[in-house]
Amino acid sequence: DTAVSQTPKYLVTQMGNDKSIKCEQNLGHDTMYWYKQDSKKFLKIMFSYNNKELIINETVPNRFSPKSPDKAHLNLHINSLELGDSAVYFCASNRKGGGYGYTFGSGTRLTVV
Amino acid sequence: GDSVTQMEGPVTLSEEAFLTINCTYTATGYPSLFWYVQYPGEGLQLLLKATKADDKGSNKGFEATYRKETTSFHLEKGSVQVSDSAVYFCALSETGANSKLTFGKGITLSVRP
Repeated sequence: DTAVSQTPKYLVTQMGNDKSIKCEQNLGHDTMYWYKQDSKKFLKIMFSYNNKELIINETVPNRFSPKSPDKAHLNLHINSLELGDSAVYFCASNRKGGGYGYTFGSGTRLTVV
Repeated sequence: GDSVTQMEGPVTLSEEAFLTINCTYTATGYPSLFWYVQYPGEGLQLLLKATKADDKGSNKGFEATYRKETTSFHLEKGSVQVSDSAVYFCALSETGANSKLTFGKGITLSVRP
């Protein structure tokens, strides 16, 4: 059973398109996150949701819009894709509180051409 | 704000060599500390963690001790294997509802036979 699953694993698209990445966790965790990993492997948080409520929004362009229909799902929609959006996007989840380990999905490699 | 500093890489070792990867942190409160590992083409896996001062996290022969006095969480392994080749990330998380993982830049370890 996959704990945190993301789809798709790879996404190649043209500039200006709109695309979505989906994430689901079956761990019963309260909080879900989106992280972006750039070409130098640096990981930076984008958003977090706790029980469908937006908690963290880290100066991400408005073109990025997360949506959490329930606490087991967190999707990321990106409008008007730009070359600089090319990266690996990781979904993660954890129990509320921060001291517990965070469980990550396997990532979505987005390439904008 | 919170930050994590890792030693510069990459690091190349021969099999069975001793490994130390330095990590220091800056935090306003009393964070939990983590080491994550990313094998080539894969997502992030929790390697070990420590939630309070003087705690030692250990897993798969790796160890790290939470040193509050030096604000450090150095990763060590007595004898590395080729299969340990990966990118290693030190990270911290403050406790609380707004918790998030703050990562260091990561370091690439290559172990040669």
